[in-house]
Amino acid sequence: RKEVEQDPGPFNVPEGATVAFNCTYSNSASQSFFWYRQDCRKEPKLLMSVYSSGNEDGRFTAQLNRASQYISLLIRDSKLSDSATYLCVVNRNTDKLIFGTGTRLQVFP
Amino acid sequence: DAGVTQSPTHLIKTRGQQVTLRCSPKSGHDTVSWYQQALGQGPQFIFQYYEEEERQRGNFPDRFSGHQFPNYSSELNVNALLLGDSALYLCASFPEGFRGLNTEAFFGQGTRLTVV
Repeated sequence: RKEVEQDPGPFNVPEGATVAFNCTYSNSASQSFFWYRQDCRKEPKLLMSVYSSGNEDGRFTAQLNRASQYISLLIRDSKLSDSATYLCVVNRNTDKLIFGTGTRLQVFP
Repeated sequence: DAGVTQSPTHLIKTRGQQVTLRCSPKSGHDTVSWYQQALGQGPQFIFQYYEEEERQRGNFPDRFSGHQFPNYSSELNVNALLLGDSALYLCASFPEGFRGLNTEAFFGQGTRLTVV
């Protein structure tokens, strides 16, 4: 079983839709959590960190449930430019980031 | 301010050969990690270098080795290449004093290695 699990998708949604991605992690010692975005054939870039209280950045909302070891990302009012792969990432207070396989999002007109 | 730079961007090697990939970290960063990303997968941690020493290593065989230079740049070496080593190799750098938690990793654009 992988330490970080994500639904690979693809999620195909129309512009303006709301879409949610989920991620589970198996190691309860995980300390910090992130969502990274990766465009096709490009490097991953940090989208947002995820905090226990939940956090929002514009159209993006991230939630963390430590008891269930579950992380989510909600994208409201999807844009064509949101099409990418979204990587769930955890860190166990070491210097090693552990990535999920990524969830592919395709937004269509 | 130059970000993380990697070279070369693309490389084709024959099975059994050796390859060296290079990474220059972002200015002000002294820690470098290497990741392997196979097609359709997330990046997998190979190892990390800090103060010219390997500080942590993932589940990769000894064929994968590295080095960090006094200017913080780093190399990844892979010996006896296998077809399964074909992947995007990513370098990530972290700022001085990085201790992992809630610190953004800055990635280079990667080196796409194809082993034939």
